[in-house]
Amino acid sequence: EVQLVESGGGLIQPGGSLRLSCAASGFTVRSNYMSWVRQAPGRGLEWVSVIYSDGGTYYADSVKGRFTISRDKSKNTLYLQMNTLRDEDTAVYYCARVELRYLDWIFDHWGQGTLVTVSS
Amino acid sequence: QSALTQPASVSGSPGQSITISCTGTSSDIGGYDYVSWYQQHPGKAPKLILYEVTRRPSGVSNRFSGSKSGDTASLTISGLQAEDEADYHCSSYSSTSTLKVFGGGTKLTVL
Repeated sequence: EVQLVESGGGLIQPGGSLRLSCAASGFTVRSNYMSWVRQAPGRGLEWVSVIYSDGGTYYADSVKGRFTISRDKSKNTLYLQMNTLRDEDTAVYYCARVELRYLDWIFDHWGQGTLVTVSS
Repeated sequence: QSALTQPASVSGSPGQSITISCTGTSSDIGGYDYVSWYQQHPGKAPKLILYEVTRRPSGVSNRFSGSKSGDTASLTISGLQAEDEADYHCSSYSSTSTLKVFGGGTKLTVL
């Protein structure tokens, strides 16, 4: 059974840094495409970042240069390093397994999410 | 402000059918058949219910169906049940630098 468990969220001041983790089971992170998607309070979903099985990475313009997606083969875990955090980064962050369908990314399994609150 | 436009809320009675619209542009919905829909119950993670406009993942009820016309995609839920009460999010591939866009979500209330 595929499972994704996020951790690492919390309250952080503007300008601070935080690293989110997503522990996977039931499949191999390194062999799949993986993504982070966030949801601000009362808002819709927003794609944040994706990492391909070959290591290629993509980022939403809103986080480019501040966030870094990575993975650890030995721990079967996905990470999101978030630097220079802003108030507008406040959201629940979900990790998701991605199925590549031609040009599109389909998020076929999701974790339960971890809340990041950026506030002074 | 989300890239795709959805109604904030829709409602229907048990047994009825409802349709949720999702409007984009020629750079996303209008240009490609890469529209997906996600169901999200309160406090829960989203769940994929449709992809490539009309395709259902294994295990998803055939009461959920999708369509597209021009820049607008639609999700139809037939035979409404109480368990369908949730938020529904549309999504599309985008040929712009954004790559992947979502709607603002629609809250479905089963009366």
